[in-house]
Amino acid sequence: GQNIDQPTEMTATEGAIVQINCTYQTSGFNGLFWYQQHAGEAPTFLSYNVLDGLEEKGRFSSFLSRSKGYSYLLLKELQMKDSASYLCAVMDSNYQLIWGAGTKLIIKP
Amino acid sequence: IAGITQAPTSQILAAGRRMTLRCTQDMRHNAMYWYRQDLGLGLRLIHYSNTAGTTGKGEVPDGYSVSRANTDDFPLTLASAVPSQTSVYFCASSDSAAGGPGSDTQYFGPGTRLTVL
Repeated sequence: GQNIDQPTEMTATEGAIVQINCTYQTSGFNGLFWYQQHAGEAPTFLSYNVLDGLEEKGRFSSFLSRSKGYSYLLLKELQMKDSASYLCAVMDSNYQLIWGAGTKLIIKP
Repeated sequence: IAGITQAPTSQILAAGRRMTLRCTQDMRHNAMYWYRQDLGLGLRLIHYSNTAGTTGKGEVPDGYSVSRANTDDFPLTLASAVPSQTSVYFCASSDSAAGGPGSDTQYFGPGTRLTVL
């Protein structure tokens, strides 16, 4: 079956750096997405990786290794507003998104 | 409006009742999707539509139906609601016909919180 694994919850300190990992096993691969979801709100798009390597967007970076079925989202200079769930999703060979359950990130002052 | 709208925002429904969740987008995206989100589980695809006039079944289609009469609207109907359909429902769209990297990025509506008693 298809599977996306990410930690259920992580805690970090304001101003610090945190890395959220995602491993996947899917039928085919057509890209990996990271979304941010604040409590009670809709998921919003953060990043997309289809080739191996690091994509940087301001304080957020996303890394992909297709051979290892692995990605991470790196958040720098954490702010309180970064408290949210972070969802990893992989597009399979049928171009459907397979979603992880999400990682709830708690930022402490 | 800009983006995707969903209605209602929330609803409490008696089991056995029929309910239609509405979704409208103004981005002229060709593809639209319905997901449900339950605590501890990832988003699960219910139905999708790659273009107006076509629909397909996702991972959890039983008990739900959809239609796509035009580009903008993609309603989801529960013919006879059951308590296990209590969930948060998200509609999303993507411009996958545009092609190129990231063209399948999905954009989400604000969600409908449905409780079936």
